[in-house]
Amino acid sequence: DSGVTQTPKHLITATGQRVTLRCSPRSGDLSVYWYQQSLDQGLQFLIQYYNGEERAKGNILERFSAQQFPDLHSELNLSSLELGDSALYFCASSVGNTIYFGEGSWLTVV
Amino acid sequence: AQKITQTQPGMFVQEKEAVTLDCTYDTSDQSYGLFWYKQPSSGEMIFLIYQGSYDEQNATEGRYSLNFQKARKSANLVISASQLGDSAMYFCAMSLLGGAQKLVFGQGTRLTINP
Repeated sequence: DSGVTQTPKHLITATGQRVTLRCSPRSGDLSVYWYQQSLDQGLQFLIQYYNGEERAKGNILERFSAQQFPDLHSELNLSSLELGDSALYFCASSVGNTIYFGEGSWLTVV
Repeated sequence: AQKITQTQPGMFVQEKEAVTLDCTYDTSDQSYGLFWYKQPSSGEMIFLIYQGSYDEQNATEGRYSLNFQKARKSANLVISASQLGDSAMYFCAMSLLGGAQKLVFGQGTRLTINP
């Protein structure tokens, strides 16, 4: 158990819909990262938050947004969903130089 | 930009044998970290081992060790005494230190341990 908690574990939704993925980092970790794993793109960094502030942005689509709340949990919002957004979405948090991942949220867009 | 290359799409190893998974990286930065993760078929991403670019000793964590050769820009994972439960995808990744720790991943190696 990495200590990073993600919900939901699985969800199926229709094209055009909006979903929210939730992440609780390890206790005391201030950084939260979001990654997407898809068959064609592999593992890609989406965005990082540190203590509530956006710190780095990767290949995140404009239809996607994220935030980190004062209690340090984070949410990734995916809107106007397309079939190609089907993927495994990971949240991660770090202590020092070690980055731990949650179990991921499997998103299927039909 | 950083790049990770894992040249072995798949490997088959007999149980109890040692296995080496290859990873080469490319960066012009001097401060970076190298990671290995294990992804079983259930999907979770499990942290295995970390090596900093300034660490003089190779990292070890139980049966895992990282063979770090800086001049060759390689960071191979060695698993000693392989077990059936080691069957999984293995990803090598790197990040720069001192700023945003964005991990760049390789394509992965699927390791299968045969009984």
